[in-house]
Amino acid sequence: DIVMTQSPDSLAVSLGERATINCRSSQSVLYSPNNKNHLAWFQQKAGQPPKLLIYWASMRESGVPDRFSGSGSGTNFTLTISNLQAEDVAVYYCQQYTFTPPWTFGQGTKVEIK
Amino acid sequence: EMQLVQSGAEMKKPGESLKISCKASGYLFNSYWIAWVRQMPGKGLEWMGLIYPGTSETKYSPTFEGQVTMSVDTSTSIAYLQWSGLKASDSAIYYCAKTSMVRNGMDVWGQGTTVTVSS
Repeated sequence: DIVMTQSPDSLAVSLGERATINCRSSQSVLYSPNNKNHLAWFQQKAGQPPKLLIYWASMRESGVPDRFSGSGSGTNFTLTISNLQAEDVAVYYCQQYTFTPPWTFGQGTKVEIK
Repeated sequence: EMQLVQSGAEMKKPGESLKISCKASGYLFNSYWIAWVRQMPGKGLEWMGLIYPGTSETKYSPTFEGQVTMSVDTSTSIAYLQWSGLKASDSAIYYCAKTSMVRNGMDVWGQGTTVTVSS
C-alpha cells in the first residue's frame, strides 16, 4: 500500500498569513495513462464531512477560493493557504487515488489561528 | 444539485447486523463509483472501498475485505454498506462519496452515518 505522510501534524498561523502543509507518498502517484498526479486535498471542519479542495495535485475544485493552491509531483506535494481566514480552521488531509486501490489518506494536519 | 444523503445514526449491540444507506441524486448514479470512508472517534480518514453501480464491481481495502459488504440498488440510486456481526471497534462515522477514478476522485460526500456498537 502507498503510505501518505503529512507534515506538520498541526500548525498555528496568524490571520492573513500563509499556511503550508506538506504531503509525501511512499511511491509515485503519477497515473501514466493521463500523466496526472492522482493526489487530492480535503478540508474537514469540526462536525462536517470532508470537502474536496484540490485534485490532480494542483487543480482547484469548482467553488474553492483561490487562496487554496496545490503543487508538487511524483512523491512530494504541498497545500498552501494564502491569506488565512478564520473559516479555514480545519483538519486538512492529502489522499492518493492511483488507479490500483487501496487508496490512502495522510494522517491529517490541524490548522489553527495564532 | 449533486447530493448524497445518508441514513440516520445507529446504536447496535456487538454481534448484531447492520445495513446503512447512501441515496444519490442530481447525477447519473450508474456512471460514477461510490466510495466508503471510515472515521473512528477523534481519528483520521480511512478508505474502505469502492463500488461501481453500473456493474456492481467492487474494490475493497485489505483492512475491510471480509469485514463489510458494499452493494447498490440502481432502481433507487442507493448504495449500501453492511455488517453481519458488529464489533465495538466498528463504532465510527461512515461516509459515502461520489467518485471518479480518472479525474477528481471523491468530489461529493454524504453527511455521514454515526454507528455506535456497545453492549
